[in-house]
Amino acid sequence: QKEVEQDPGPLSVPEGAIVSLNCTYSNSAFQYFMWYRQYSRKGPELLMYTYSSGNKEDGRFTAQVDKSSKYISLFIRDSQPSDSATYLCAMSEGGGYNKLIFGAGTRLAVHP
Amino acid sequence: NAGVTQTPKFQVLKTGQSMTLQCAQDMNHNSMYWYRQDPGMGLRLIYYSASEGTTDKGEVPNGYNVSRLNKREFSLRLESAAPSQTSVYFCATETTVSYEQYFGPGTRLTVT
Repeated sequence: QKEVEQDPGPLSVPEGAIVSLNCTYSNSAFQYFMWYRQYSRKGPELLMYTYSSGNKEDGRFTAQVDKSSKYISLFIRDSQPSDSATYLCAMSEGGGYNKLIFGAGTRLAVHP
Repeated sequence: NAGVTQTPKFQVLKTGQSMTLQCAQDMNHNSMYWYRQDPGMGLRLIYYSASEGTTDKGEVPNGYNVSRLNKREFSLRLESAAPSQTSVYFCATETTVSYEQYFGPGTRLTVT
Protein backbone atom coordinates (compact mmCIF):
# COMPACT_ATOMS: atom_id res chain seq x y z
CA GLN A 1 0.00 0.00 0.00
CA LYS A 2 1.34 3.43 -0.92
CA GLU A 3 1.83 6.00 1.84
CA VAL A 4 -0.29 8.50 -0.08
CA GLU A 5 -3.17 7.50 -2.34
CA GLN A 6 -4.69 9.83 -4.90
CA ASP A 7 -7.24 9.03 -7.58
CA PRO A 8 -5.54 9.76 -10.94
CA GLY A 9 -8.78 10.72 -12.68
CA PRO A 10 -9.14 12.18 -15.22
CA LEU A 11 -11.85 14.40 -13.81
CA SER A 12 -13.86 16.40 -16.33
CA VAL A 13 -16.23 19.16 -15.16
CA PRO A 14 -18.08 22.08 -16.75
CA GLU A 15 -16.94 25.62 -16.15
CA GLY A 16 -18.37 27.01 -12.91
CA ALA A 17 -18.57 23.64 -11.15
CA ILE A 18 -17.22 22.97 -7.67
CA VAL A 19 -14.35 20.52 -7.83
CA SER A 20 -13.32 18.24 -5.00
CA LEU A 21 -9.89 16.59 -5.06
CA ASN A 22 -8.83 14.15 -2.35
CA CYS A 23 -5.93 12.20 -0.93
CA THR A 24 -5.72 9.60 1.79
CA TYR A 25 -2.60 8.68 3.70
CA SER A 26 -1.43 6.06 6.15
CA ASN A 27 1.31 7.81 8.18
CA SER A 28 -0.21 9.48 11.24
CA ALA A 29 3.02 11.48 11.77
CA PHE A 30 2.38 13.68 8.74
CA GLN A 31 1.92 17.29 9.85
CA TYR A 32 2.57 19.40 6.75
CA PHE A 33 0.14 19.16 3.86
CA MET A 34 0.44 20.78 0.45
CA TRP A 35 -1.33 20.93 -2.86
CA TYR A 36 0.61 21.54 -6.04
CA ARG A 37 -0.78 22.42 -9.46
CA GLN A 38 1.13 21.23 -12.49
CA TYR A 39 0.33 22.42 -15.98
CA SER A 40 1.32 20.23 -18.89
CA ARG A 41 5.09 20.24 -19.45
CA LYS A 42 5.72 22.57 -16.49
CA GLY A 43 7.07 22.16 -12.96
CA PRO A 44 4.73 21.74 -9.96
CA GLU A 45 3.61 25.04 -8.48
CA LEU A 46 2.74 25.30 -4.78
CA LEU A 47 -0.95 26.14 -4.50
CA MET A 48 -1.94 25.60 -0.88
CA TYR A 49 -0.11 24.81 2.34
CA THR A 50 -1.63 23.66 5.63
CA TYR A 51 -0.02 22.77 8.91
CA SER A 52 -1.82 20.11 10.96
CA SER A 53 -5.62 19.90 10.85
CA GLY A 54 -8.19 22.44 9.75
CA ASN A 55 -9.20 24.51 6.77
CA LYS A 56 -7.40 27.13 4.77
CA GLU A 57 -8.97 29.34 2.14
CA ASP A 58 -7.31 31.33 -0.63
CA GLY A 59 -9.62 32.88 -3.17
CA ARG A 60 -11.49 30.11 -4.98
CA PHE A 61 -9.39 27.39 -3.32
CA THR A 62 -10.02 25.72 0.04
CA ALA A 63 -7.78 23.07 1.57
CA GLN A 64 -9.06 20.80 4.32
CA VAL A 65 -7.13 18.39 6.50
CA ASP A 66 -8.81 15.73 8.64
CA LYS A 67 -6.02 14.02 10.54
CA SER A 68 -8.40 11.70 12.40
CA SER A 69 -9.49 10.21 9.08
CA LYS A 70 -6.08 10.66 7.41
CA TYR A 71 -7.80 12.49 4.57
CA ILE A 72 -7.09 15.80 2.83
CA SER A 73 -9.14 17.66 0.28
CA LEU A 74 -8.81 20.57 -2.11
CA PHE A 75 -11.98 22.36 -3.23
CA ILE A 76 -12.07 24.65 -6.24
CA ARG A 77 -15.11 26.94 -6.47
CA ASP A 78 -16.33 28.45 -9.73
CA SER A 79 -13.85 26.35 -11.70
CA GLN A 80 -12.34 27.91 -14.83
CA PRO A 81 -10.75 26.38 -17.94
CA SER A 82 -7.45 27.81 -16.66
CA ASP A 83 -7.75 25.41 -13.69
CA SER A 84 -7.23 22.48 -16.08
CA ALA A 85 -4.05 20.85 -14.80
CA THR A 86 -2.80 17.95 -12.72
CA TYR A 87 -3.15 18.45 -8.97
CA LEU A 88 -0.67 16.72 -6.68
CA CYS A 89 -1.07 16.35 -2.96
CA ALA A 90 2.09 16.17 -0.85
CA MET A 91 2.74 15.72 2.82
CA SER A 92 5.57 15.32 5.29
CA GLU A 93 6.46 14.84 8.93
CA GLY A 94 8.72 17.88 8.88
CA GLY A 95 11.96 17.95 10.80
CA GLY A 96 15.59 18.06 9.72
CA TYR A 97 15.14 16.01 6.57
CA ASN A 98 11.82 16.89 5.10
CA LYS A 99 10.83 13.82 3.13
CA LEU A 100 7.93 15.10 1.08
CA ILE A 101 5.68 12.27 -0.11
CA PHE A 102 3.62 12.96 -3.21
CA GLY A 103 0.41 11.48 -4.49
CA ALA A 104 0.41 10.38 -8.12
CA GLY A 105 -1.72 13.39 -9.12
CA THR A 106 -5.29 13.91 -10.36
CA ARG A 107 -5.76 15.25 -13.87
CA LEU A 108 -8.53 17.86 -14.03
CA ALA A 109 -10.16 19.20 -17.19
CA VAL A 110 -12.59 22.13 -16.95
CA HIS A 111 -14.50 22.58 -20.18
CA PRO A 112 -16.26 25.81 -21.23
CA ASN B 1 14.16 36.99 -9.37
CA ALA B 2 14.28 33.74 -11.38
CA GLY B 3 13.46 31.31 -8.53
CA VAL B 4 14.68 27.85 -9.55
CA THR B 5 16.23 27.38 -12.98
CA GLN B 6 17.25 24.15 -14.71
CA THR B 7 19.35 23.41 -17.77
CA PRO B 8 18.98 21.89 -20.26
CA LYS B 9 15.22 21.82 -20.92
CA PHE B 10 15.45 18.78 -23.19
CA GLN B 11 18.11 16.15 -23.82
CA VAL B 12 18.39 12.93 -25.82
CA LEU B 13 21.15 10.51 -24.88
CA LYS B 14 22.27 7.16 -26.19
CA THR B 15 22.65 4.28 -23.73
CA GLY B 16 25.99 4.56 -21.94
CA GLN B 17 26.48 8.28 -22.46
CA SER B 18 26.92 10.62 -19.51
CA MET B 19 25.49 14.03 -18.77
CA THR B 20 24.99 16.55 -15.96
CA LEU B 21 21.73 18.31 -15.20
CA GLN B 22 22.19 21.74 -13.68
CA CYS B 23 20.01 23.48 -11.12
CA ALA B 24 20.42 26.96 -9.65
CA GLN B 25 18.30 28.96 -7.20
CA ASP B 26 18.23 32.56 -6.06
CA MET B 27 15.79 31.98 -3.18
CA ASN B 28 18.55 31.69 -0.55
CA HIS B 29 17.21 28.32 0.61
CA ASN B 30 19.52 25.83 2.28
CA SER B 31 17.81 22.61 1.17
CA MET B 32 17.69 21.42 -2.43
CA TYR B 33 16.20 18.28 -3.97
CA TRP B 34 16.28 16.26 -7.19
CA TYR B 35 13.15 14.33 -8.23
CA ARG B 36 12.14 12.29 -11.21
CA GLN B 37 8.57 12.13 -12.45
CA ASP B 38 7.22 9.17 -14.39
CA PRO B 39 3.63 8.53 -15.56
CA GLY B 40 1.56 6.98 -12.78
CA MET B 41 4.47 7.06 -10.32
CA GLY B 42 4.28 10.62 -9.08
CA LEU B 43 7.44 12.42 -7.99
CA ARG B 44 10.21 10.27 -6.53
CA LEU B 45 13.17 11.66 -4.66
CA ILE B 46 16.59 10.86 -6.11
CA TYR B 47 18.95 12.88 -3.88
CA TYR B 48 18.73 15.83 -1.58
CA SER B 49 21.07 18.32 0.04
CA ALA B 50 20.29 19.89 3.39
CA SER B 51 23.05 22.46 3.06
CA GLU B 52 26.18 23.31 1.10
CA GLY B 53 28.62 20.42 1.25
CA THR B 54 26.11 17.74 2.31
CA THR B 55 24.15 15.30 0.16
CA ASP B 56 22.06 12.21 0.92
CA LYS B 57 20.28 9.50 -1.02
CA GLY B 58 16.55 9.52 -1.54
CA GLU B 59 14.19 6.81 -2.71
CA VAL B 60 15.75 6.06 -6.15
CA PRO B 61 19.48 7.04 -6.13
CA ASN B 62 20.93 4.18 -8.20
CA GLY B 63 22.62 5.35 -11.39
CA TYR B 64 22.91 8.97 -10.23
CA ASN B 65 25.42 11.19 -8.46
CA VAL B 66 25.04 14.73 -7.20
CA SER B 67 27.19 17.71 -6.31
CA ARG B 68 26.21 20.65 -4.13
CA LEU B 69 28.65 23.13 -5.58
CA ASN B 70 27.61 26.05 -3.37
CA LYS B 71 24.42 27.32 -1.77
CA ARG B 72 22.91 28.23 -5.13
CA GLU B 73 23.77 25.22 -7.29
CA PHE B 74 22.93 21.51 -7.11
CA SER B 75 23.79 19.27 -10.07
CA LEU B 76 22.68 15.74 -10.96
CA ARG B 77 24.97 13.48 -12.98
CA LEU B 78 24.16 10.35 -14.95
CA GLU B 79 27.45 8.50 -15.46
CA SER B 80 26.19 5.82 -17.85
CA ALA B 81 22.65 6.53 -19.00
CA ALA B 82 20.12 3.69 -19.30
CA PRO B 83 16.68 3.66 -20.99
CA SER B 84 15.12 3.27 -17.50
CA GLN B 85 16.37 6.79 -16.76
CA THR B 86 14.08 8.29 -19.39
CA SER B 87 12.02 10.67 -17.31
CA VAL B 88 11.32 14.29 -16.43
CA TYR B 89 13.73 15.58 -13.78
CA PHE B 90 12.82 18.36 -11.37
CA CYS B 91 14.98 20.31 -8.99
CA ALA B 92 13.37 21.91 -5.92
CA THR B 93 14.34 24.12 -3.02
CA GLU B 94 12.74 24.23 0.39
CA THR B 95 11.97 26.89 2.99
CA THR B 96 13.39 26.26 6.46
CA VAL B 97 10.40 26.92 8.71
CA SER B 98 7.35 25.71 6.79
CA TYR B 99 9.01 23.07 4.56
CA GLU B 100 7.36 24.36 1.40
CA GLN B 101 9.13 23.17 -1.74
CA TYR B 102 9.50 25.22 -4.91
CA PHE B 103 10.20 23.52 -8.21
CA GLY B 104 12.11 24.36 -11.36
CA PRO B 105 10.64 23.92 -14.86
CA GLY B 106 12.15 20.46 -15.38
CA THR B 107 14.46 18.66 -17.79
CA ARG B 108 12.95 16.12 -20.19
CA LEU B 109 15.47 13.34 -20.73
CA THR B 110 15.15 10.54 -23.25
CA VAL B 111 17.67 7.69 -23.30
CA THR B 112 17.58 5.52 -26.43
